[in-house]
Amino acid sequence: GQQLNQSPQSMFIQEGEDVSMNCTSSSIFNTWLWYKQDPGEGPVLLIALYKAGELTSNGRLTAQFGITRKDSFLNISASIPSDVGIYFCAGPPRAGGTSYGKLTFGQGTILTVHP
Amino acid sequence: GAVVSQHPSRVICKSGTSVKIECRSLDFQATTMFWYRQFPKQSLMLMATSNEGSKATYEQGVEKDKFLINHASLTLSTLTVTSAHPEDSSFYICSASGGGSPQHFGDGTRLSIL
Repeated sequence: GQQLNQSPQSMFIQEGEDVSMNCTSSSIFNTWLWYKQDPGEGPVLLIALYKAGELTSNGRLTAQFGITRKDSFLNISASIPSDVGIYFCAGPPRAGGTSYGKLTFGQGTILTVHP
Repeated sequence: GAVVSQHPSRVICKSGTSVKIECRSLDFQATTMFWYRQFPKQSLMLMATSNEGSKATYEQGVEKDKFLINHASLTLSTLTVTSAHPEDSSFYICSASGGGSPQHFGDGTRLSIL
């Protein structure tokens, strides 16, 4: 199946800094999803991207669907302590798959924000 | 927004016990539910996909007799870990999708087998 490579694996930043993480694949994805998981909880959907080149914001979060359809990035501006958690990219693992079907997940980016 | 409730949030039990975990979609009809397993600081590993009214589809390497899945209604799926042993200890998470919306996740169940 299609693999998602997410980087960086972890980040340690100061409060107020901007954060950028990305996800790449050797295969084309037609949907990119970004989730955040707080410790001991399930992932929460942050942003869904459905079209190549699409740039979508959700508060301080901005995500883009790469033009090649093989990558996506997530930016967090002016980080705050509650941004701490694990961020996952995800997408349908086969051509024609949908965001509501089976998903492949990236390895996750562990974000630590120092006050 | 879509809400998925998972229960219980934490289970501690003796080896050999069977444990049932429930996953409910509270405000939408979930035609498909997914069950994941997650080890500390790792990604989610899909165990099985279940569609309402039909048998679950298990991922390679997941024992269907060990992890029994039932999806009897559009709002409820259950995962039963049969004769659980310490190596089954993990964080189990369900998700649900329906109506063309992306998967929404429950808050997970921390299973500890002594």
